[in-house]
Amino acid sequence: DTGVSQNPRHKITKRGQNVTFRCDPISEHNRLYWYRQTLGQGPEFLTYFQNEAQLEKSRLLSDRFSAERPKGSFSTLEIQRTEQGDSAMYLCASTEGAYEQYFGPGTRLTVT
Amino acid sequence: AQTVTQSQPEMSVQEAETVTLSCTYDTSESDYYLFWYKQPPSRQMILVIRQEAYKQQNATENRFSVNFQKAAKSFSLKISDSQLGDAAMYFCAYRSEGAQKLVFGQGTRLTINP
Repeated sequence: DTGVSQNPRHKITKRGQNVTFRCDPISEHNRLYWYRQTLGQGPEFLTYFQNEAQLEKSRLLSDRFSAERPKGSFSTLEIQRTEQGDSAMYLCASTEGAYEQYFGPGTRLTVT
Repeated sequence: AQTVTQSQPEMSVQEAETVTLSCTYDTSESDYYLFWYKQPPSRQMILVIRQEAYKQQNATENRFSVNFQKAAKSFSLKISDSQLGDAAMYFCAYRSEGAQKLVFGQGTRLTINP
């Protein structure tokens, strides 16, 4: 396994459209995280899964955002009715419970 | 809520020299972890070094070392013998004991001059 993968790497969408991103964690990792990173800022926590259970959600995760992790494997993050303020890099990370969170390359979303 | 502050948006250093990146944090907790992550341009974030708050000894990883001052809530990163490959955004991050999320600072962009 070469690490956390995310698809697509880039997504351009028009305001009001729905988008979905996918994250494939390192195979033995049971914990998965989503973060959002805007230009020039550090990542901000969005949500966390342990296996298939979503155990924590940030206030940043508005009703337009939904995340799933069916069967505790890959995860998807969906944004409905996108807004220009949603433009950011969406980062996924995973861990098996140790200290380090391993990050994927991110999905850069541009809402026009 | 915990906060992490990196007061140096940009730093530059000559190749082979030493540079120190600053980080301060605010917390009321006694048990936590601190991290420095490196994010090269267009590449994924990787862990550089971590420090457990209960350890008094400063962490070291090859050319990277930290100066952890728990009472001052300060956690600086020293990079010795800087190399061109060290050029990146560096993020300081905090995690509470028993929590999962990382709280990041705003980042410091490090440039290495040949």
